[in-house]
Amino acid sequence: GENVEQHPSTLSVQEGDSAVIKCTYSDSASNYFPWYKQELGKRPQLIIDIRSNVGEKKDQRIAVTLNKTAKHFSLHITETQPEDSAVYFCAASTGNDMRFGAGTRLTVKP
Amino acid sequence: NAGVMQNPRHLVRRRGQEARLRCSPMKGHSHVYWYRQLPEEGLKFMVYLQKENIIDESGMPKERFSAEFPKEGPSILRIQQVVRGDSAAYFCASSKQGAGYTFGSGTRLTVV
Repeated sequence: GENVEQHPSTLSVQEGDSAVIKCTYSDSASNYFPWYKQELGKRPQLIIDIRSNVGEKKDQRIAVTLNKTAKHFSLHITETQPEDSAVYFCAASTGNDMRFGAGTRLTVKP
Repeated sequence: NAGVMQNPRHLVRRRGQEARLRCSPMKGHSHVYWYRQLPEEGLKFMVYLQKENIIDESGMPKERFSAEFPKEGPSILRIQQVVRGDSAAYFCASSKQGAGYTFGSGTRLTVV
């Protein structure tokens, strides 16, 4: 089955800096790659997603890139703010079930 | 649209009792997924169901755990003879075909 690796497990940045989180996946049939943000004690919430026919997608300060050949995808957050502090999960799906990375705890220091 | 509804939000069970967790998917969603999250850890896939069918249960322990998604009513995750190691947050998500997962608020199970 699909195996998703996520790095780093923790990331600390200064407010205003950029943050990058990277994921790799194993199943070449995966074609949908969402990213979720989970604040303490709350549900994971979808923040951005990308499909395999697209190499990059941007939504304000958040962007995601996908390299299908290398089977890796990344989340980029620019101009980080303290409210970006949370755990971020990447995921990969073949169109049926979905597998998640282990998560990255992002801390943005004011 | 009320979103994905999970209940109860918190559940306390003594060792050996049964826990029943319920999940009502979003309107129009026929795919339900259950995940377990231990404190400070990631989301571990347990089971994927469609109406009246288990599609993939590869992440679910073979014993004591079962899941169903009947034709009518919510999806149920059932844990028999709970042990302390079952204490975790259990999240349900629903989707249409393979995209746009929406998570419920989770059920936090504590086994005492």
